[in-house]
Amino acid sequence: GQNIDQPTEMTATEGAIVQINCTYQTSGFNGLFWYQQHAGEAPTFLSYNVLDGLEEKGRFSSFLSRSKGYSYLLLKELQMKDSASYLCAVLDSNYQLIWGAGTKLIIKP
Amino acid sequence: IAGITQAPTSQILAAGRRMTLRCTQDMRHNAMYWYRQDLGLGLRLIHYSNTAGTTGKGEVPDGYSVSRANTDDFPLTLASAVPSQTSVYFCASSDGGGGQGHTGELFFGEGSRLTVL
Repeated sequence: GQNIDQPTEMTATEGAIVQINCTYQTSGFNGLFWYQQHAGEAPTFLSYNVLDGLEEKGRFSSFLSRSKGYSYLLLKELQMKDSASYLCAVLDSNYQLIWGAGTKLIIKP
Repeated sequence: IAGITQAPTSQILAAGRRMTLRCTQDMRHNAMYWYRQDLGLGLRLIHYSNTAGTTGKGEVPDGYSVSRANTDDFPLTLASAVPSQTSVYFCASSDGGGGQGHTGELFFGEGSRLTVL
């Protein structure tokens, strides 16, 4: 079956750096997405990786290794507003989007 | 403001009742989707539509139906609600499509919280 694994919950300190990992086993691969979802709100797009390597976008970066079935989202200079759930999703060979359960990130002062 | 509008925001209904969740987008996106989100689970696709006039089944379609009469609207109907359909429902759209998925980012509505008693 197809599977996306992410840690359920992580805690970090304001101003620090945190890395949220995502491993996947899917039928083919056509890209990996990261979304941010604040409690009670809709998910919003953060990043899309289809080639190996690091994509940087301000304080957020996303890394992909297709051979390892692995991605991470790196958040720098953490702010309280970064407290949210981070969802990893993979587009498989049929262009079906497979979602992980999300990682709840708690930021402490 | 451009985007996706869902209604109602929240609803409590008795088991056995019929319910339609409305979804409208003004971005002229071809593809639209309905997901449910339950605690501890990833988003699960209920139904999708690649373009007006076509619909398809997702991962968890049983008990739900959809229609796509035009580009903008994609209502989701529960013919006879059951307690297991208690969930948060998200409508989403994307520009482009291909099978059940797409090649671009998803834009989500604010969600409809449904409780079936």
